[in-house]
Amino acid sequence: GENVEQHPSTLSVQEGDSAVIKCTYSDSASNYFPWYKQELGKRPQLIIDIRSNVGEKKDQRIAVTLNKTAKHFSLHITETQPEDSAVYFCAASNTGNQFYFGTGTSLTVIP
Amino acid sequence: GAVVSQHPSWVICKSGTSVKIECRSLDFQATTMFWYRQFPKQSLMLMATSNEGSKATYEQGVEKDKFLINHASLTLSTLTVTSAHPEDSSFYICSGRSTSGQETQYFGPGTRLLVL
Repeated sequence: GENVEQHPSTLSVQEGDSAVIKCTYSDSASNYFPWYKQELGKRPQLIIDIRSNVGEKKDQRIAVTLNKTAKHFSLHITETQPEDSAVYFCAASNTGNQFYFGTGTSLTVIP
Repeated sequence: GAVVSQHPSWVICKSGTSVKIECRSLDFQATTMFWYRQFPKQSLMLMATSNEGSKATYEQGVEKDKFLINHASLTLSTLTVTSAHPEDSSFYICSGRSTSGQETQYFGPGTRLLVL
């Protein structure tokens, strides 16, 4: 099955700086890569996703890049704000039939 | 749109009893529902995938007789933890994927289970 690795496990940045979280996957059949934000005790919320026919996608301060050849994808958050503090999970899926999550990154934005 | 609810949100039970958790898609029809387990400060572990009207597909290492999943309609899936033991204590989260064909899944708020 699919194996998704995520780094770093914890990340602290100063407010206004950028944060980058990286994930790798093993199954070349995976073609959908969502990113979720989970605040303590709450449900994961989809923040951005990318499909394998696209190399990059941006939504305001959030961007995701995908390198299919190397089987890795990254989340970029620019101009970080304290409310960005949360745990972020990447996931890989094959047409949405199964989702495999990374181990999570706890992001702390220091005011 | 795309709201998923879970019930109960909290449950405490004695060892040996069974607990049923309901997952409902409130404003969309979920062809597929997923059940996850999450330990404190850890990732979401996929337990099983269920399609409406058919048997659930369990991930390796997940006991199907222990975690009974029923997906009787396009808006309801249930997870029953049978003969619960303290090691089953965890946060259980369901998600639903729409019939529209998009891959996006929408998560429920989770159910925290504590087995004494």
